[in-house]
Amino acid sequence: DIQMTQSPSSLSASVGDRVTITCRASQTISSYLNWYQQKPGKAPELLIYTASSLQGGVPSRFSGSGSGTDFTLTIGSLQPEDFATYYCQQSYRTPLTFGQGTRLEVK
Amino acid sequence: QVQLQQWGAGLLKPSETLSLTCAVSGGSFSGYYWSWIRQPPGEGLEWIGEINHSGSTNYNPSLKSRVTISVDTSKNRFSLKLNSVTAADTAVYYCARGYRPRVAATIWFDPWGQGTLVTVSS
Repeated sequence: DIQMTQSPSSLSASVGDRVTITCRASQTISSYLNWYQQKPGKAPELLIYTASSLQGGVPSRFSGSGSGTDFTLTIGSLQPEDFATYYCQQSYRTPLTFGQGTRLEVK
Repeated sequence: QVQLQQWGAGLLKPSETLSLTCAVSGGSFSGYYWSWIRQPPGEGLEWIGEINHSGSTNYNPSLKSRVTISVDTSKNRFSLKLNSVTAADTAVYYCARGYRPRVAATIWFDPWGQGTLVTVSS
C-alpha cells in the first residue's frame, strides 16, 4: 500500500495567517493527490483534486501544489470557518489511502 | 445537486454482519464509482471499496475477505455488507461518490453521505 504522511499532525494559527500543510507519499503518485476538509461531526468535503485543481465552490484562498511524492495545501488567509482537520488522499493505486490528518486549531 | 443518504444498523455484536445502504438522489447514477469509507473514532479515513453502476467492484485487500458491495440501479442505491465484525470495525461509515475522469487514472470523492456510526460491542 502507498503510505501517506502529513505534517504537521496539528497546527495552531490565527485568523489571517497563511498556513501550509504537507503530504508525502511513500512512492511516486504523479499528481494523483486530493485534499479534503473535515469539520467535527461532519463528512469530509473535497477541496482540491489532482494536486492543484480547486473544486467548484471552494474559496480561492485554498491552493494545492506538488507532484511525485511531495505535496502542499496552502490556505492564503485563514478564516474562522477554516479551522478543521485536513486529509490528503492518493488515487494513484488501490487501495486508495489517506494521510493521518492535520488538525488546524485556533491559536 | 447530488445527495447521498445512508442508513443501517448502528449497534452490532461481535461476529454479526454490518449492513448499510446509501441512496443517491439529484443526479446520475451511472458513470461514477460508488465507495464506502470508514473512520474509527478519533482516527483517520480508510477506503473500504467501490462499485460502479455495472456492478464491477474493487475492494481494499485488508477487508476483501469480509466485504461485499452491491448495487441496485433500479433504486439508485448501493450497499455495504461486512461479515464477522469485531470491535476493530467500530467506526463512522461513509458512502461517497467517486469520480474517475476519462483522461486520467485517478479518482476523487464528492459528495459524501452524512455518515453512520456503527458500534460493535458485546
